[in-house]
Amino acid sequence: GEDVEQSLFLSVREGDSSVINCTYTDSSSTYLYWYKQEPGAGLQLLTYIFSNMDMKQDQRLTVLLNKKDKHLSLRIADTQTGDSAIYFCAEKRVDDKIIFGKGTRLHILP
Amino acid sequence: DTEVTQTPKHLVMGMTNKKSLKCEQHMGHRAMYWYKQKAKKPPELMFVYSYEKLSINESVPSRFSPECPNSSLLNLHLHALQPEDSALYLCASSQFVAGELFFGEGSRLTVL
Repeated sequence: GEDVEQSLFLSVREGDSSVINCTYTDSSSTYLYWYKQEPGAGLQLLTYIFSNMDMKQDQRLTVLLNKKDKHLSLRIADTQTGDSAIYFCAEKRVDDKIIFGKGTRLHILP
Repeated sequence: DTEVTQTPKHLVMGMTNKKSLKCEQHMGHRAMYWYKQKAKKPPELMFVYSYEKLSINESVPSRFSPECPNSSLLNLHLHALQPEDSALYLCASSQFVAGELFFGEGSRLTVL
């Protein structure tokens, strides 16, 4: 399909790990991104991965890429209340357009 | 300076008004973008400028008119908008086209 797919909601207890999944559309996409959006704010780039990589770790964030299945995931270790936001995955397609998924709203339980 | 600055933060306009949204970056980025975001939806690409030239127009209605006066500035001129155009308008920049996007906080537009 044409859409970048993400589940809409995820609830996680504070201190646990959060895993947000994404399926993208273009097997030729070269860059894949994760953005965070807090209420009323713009989007903040969290991390990105090149399509020739399987994994990237950056402090509490781990990105896994399965290029065969066009599947991308973002793991947030030791989830905190400040991680509550909407997380968008995005792909850079061969036509240089960056297309966003619908976003996953992460809710942190006390 | 790693900021993209957008003004105004909020704008209310009637359907016959003419207004403009402004965006500025001083990171030396050569690509700038306008995205539109409706509530609980992902950002949708509207326009891309590369080296001050319009490179992508996603079939946006002519009531939205982009302008890139120089490499640091990007405007979006609004005229004869409809209530369904009410949304958050996000400006972004990147070092090159489709590189890492740096977003502004957005301009929230309400069309009455």
